[in-house]
Amino acid sequence: NAGVTQTPKFRILKIGQSMTLQCTQDMNHNYMYWYRQDPGMGLKLIYYSVGAGITDKGEVPNGYNVSRSTTEDFPLRLELAAPSQTSVYFCASSYEGGRTEAFFGQGTRLTVV
Amino acid sequence: AQSVTQLGSHVSVSEGALVLLRCNYSSSVPPYLFWYVQYPNQGLQLLLKYTTGATLVKGINGFEAEFKKSETSFHLTKPSAHMSDAAEYFCAVSEAGANSKLTFGKGITLSVRP
Repeated sequence: NAGVTQTPKFRILKIGQSMTLQCTQDMNHNYMYWYRQDPGMGLKLIYYSVGAGITDKGEVPNGYNVSRSTTEDFPLRLELAAPSQTSVYFCASSYEGGRTEAFFGQGTRLTVV
Repeated sequence: AQSVTQLGSHVSVSEGALVLLRCNYSSSVPPYLFWYVQYPNQGLQLLLKYTTGATLVKGINGFEAEFKKSETSFHLTKPSAHMSDAAEYFCAVSEAGANSKLTFGKGITLSVRP
């Protein structure tokens, strides 16, 4: 099993550009999450989804959008990239929300210049 | 609201020494508690978790943690550090609701000296 797969692994964006971070999981998990990780700050939840067609904001949603058209895929869209969005982004999935183990992708390192 | 406090950002131990990484939480309901480990340039993976039942939880790679409700703590320990334990460690808490979410601490970097 591949688990949680994120693409790309690295990306450099110019200020004002847009991009989509892809995330797919093959474990048939209903719950999926996007986090950003900044040095010394831990992981902050951007958006999450409890099933196909259902998404909700996390702690730091500004500047991002998500969609969940299938159980497997949960892309994160950055519109009008800003230097403050320079970060490492992790996608994760779990079987029963916060009660069960979250499985993480390898991360996407994004730099906005 | 739930929260996690991991005091300090860096711990350094000698190989073979005891590892102790501290975690305190706050939660308005009985929590689920987790420790995750992140090796360089990788995602997080679960070390161990406490849900209900036995308060001493054993995880992978010889790590264990004890849930102490009176102290609102869930400290991670390993009797003898190995060089391969060098990584970043995150404590996380969630509440028992159906759509509960994980809240992470800021993480602690563990270095192991030869």
